[in-house]
Amino acid sequence: QQKVQQSPESLIVPEGGMASLNCTSSDRNVDYFWWYRQHSGKSPKMLMSIFSNGEKEEGRFTVHLNKASLHTSLHIRDSQPSDSALYLCAASMRTGGYKVVFGSGTRLLVSP
Amino acid sequence: EAAVTQSPRNKVAVTGGKVTLSCNQTNNHNNMYWYRQDTGHGLRLIHYSYGAGSTEKGDIPDGYKASRPSQENFSLILELATPSQTSVYFCASGDLGTSQNTLYFGAGTRLSVL
Repeated sequence: QQKVQQSPESLIVPEGGMASLNCTSSDRNVDYFWWYRQHSGKSPKMLMSIFSNGEKEEGRFTVHLNKASLHTSLHIRDSQPSDSALYLCAASMRTGGYKVVFGSGTRLLVSP
Repeated sequence: EAAVTQSPRNKVAVTGGKVTLSCNQTNNHNNMYWYRQDTGHGLRLIHYSYGAGSTEKGDIPDGYKASRPSQENFSLILELATPSQTSVYFCASGDLGTSQNTLYFGAGTRLSVL
């Protein structure tokens, strides 16, 4: 069973600070990672995706991927109270018709 | 943004009853998924599909069936609902393996089984 592990479970950062979230898959067949954000009572929305080794930056958000260790991380700089949400990591396997599995999430609270 | 419509938005069912949750997308996406999310937790994959007529078991398929009669529609069926199936259910669609490699989610269905 494909597993996606996220850490930490919860995180509190001050407004303007840096938040760092981690995600690792245990399945060597994973070929794609996403980061989704879910505000309370809403559906998840895609933040960023990555499938190549290295780093990708979009505004205040940076995602890293190490394919050898199947580890990805999301970094949010200059965190804002509106960034407070559940952050979900997802991984897909090309085999089996693109099964997509999510981790249990990191709950981020940005304190004003 | 791609539209995924779930119905009903809220449902109260009795134990042992049959429940059908519906999902419709008009984006011509090949891939569709059903997840459940329990309070404060992540999404768990129930069933998924890679095209009309196909269904695949996810990580927690027991007690659920799925049906993909057309490209647009993907249903989740609970033949004999139990209180443990009380949850929020999300449908998602996408075209994985293409430049549109993103999942788009519906608004969710809140199901209570009494």
